[in-house]
Amino acid sequence: GESVGLHLPTLSVQEGDNSIINCAYSNSASDYFIWYKQESGKGPQFIIDIRSNMDKRQGQRVTVLLNKTVKHLSLQIAATQPGDSAVYFCAETRSGYALNFGKGTSLLVTP
Amino acid sequence: DTAVSQTPKYLVTQMGNDKSIKCEQNLGHDTMYWYKQDSKKFLKIMFSYNNKELIINETVPNRFSPKSPDKAHLNLHINSLELGDSAVYFCASSQGEGRTEAFFGQGTRLTVV
Repeated sequence: GESVGLHLPTLSVQEGDNSIINCAYSNSASDYFIWYKQESGKGPQFIIDIRSNMDKRQGQRVTVLLNKTVKHLSLQIAATQPGDSAVYFCAETRSGYALNFGKGTSLLVTP
Repeated sequence: DTAVSQTPKYLVTQMGNDKSIKCEQNLGHDTMYWYKQDSKKFLKIMFSYNNKELIINETVPNRFSPKSPDKAHLNLHINSLELGDSAVYFCASSQGEGRTEAFFGQGTRLTVV
């Protein structure tokens, strides 16, 4: 079936470095792609979204890139901090449908 | 103030029992959801309600019955619990269907023994 998925299950970065989390998707009908962050013991939290007709969107310390040609989505986190340690999920949605999540990537920030 | 709250946070029960998880949101949202997260952290939509009406039912066994008494509440009742039902269940809400920003509760960790 159609799905979103992640290339790497775990990612370890040093504090202050930039992090890049990747995601592949297969559903060409998605209207939006979204990144969520889930800290231990908590529910997922919205980070940023990008509409399917865009290729880049920036937020505070985060940038999402969308490459529709290869059906690839990435989340870049600048100057990664210990508080960024969490599991990150990419997701997609279409109008009238709920979020469809991919498998998570665990980001570990080391001092 | 907690935006989306679920109770209980932990639930341990024996196979065959019936249990309920409650969820309330104070955000004034129209749409509420139940998601299931398995041991590998995979999150999957179970149900979606919009204005108290069922919109999405994702091939969930009919032992699971959601109930929405009003827009602010979406409860999940599970009959005849099975070992495979052990997971973390998340309630969420959003302002309308298909919105990208959903607000999740803290989750209910259900363990069936």
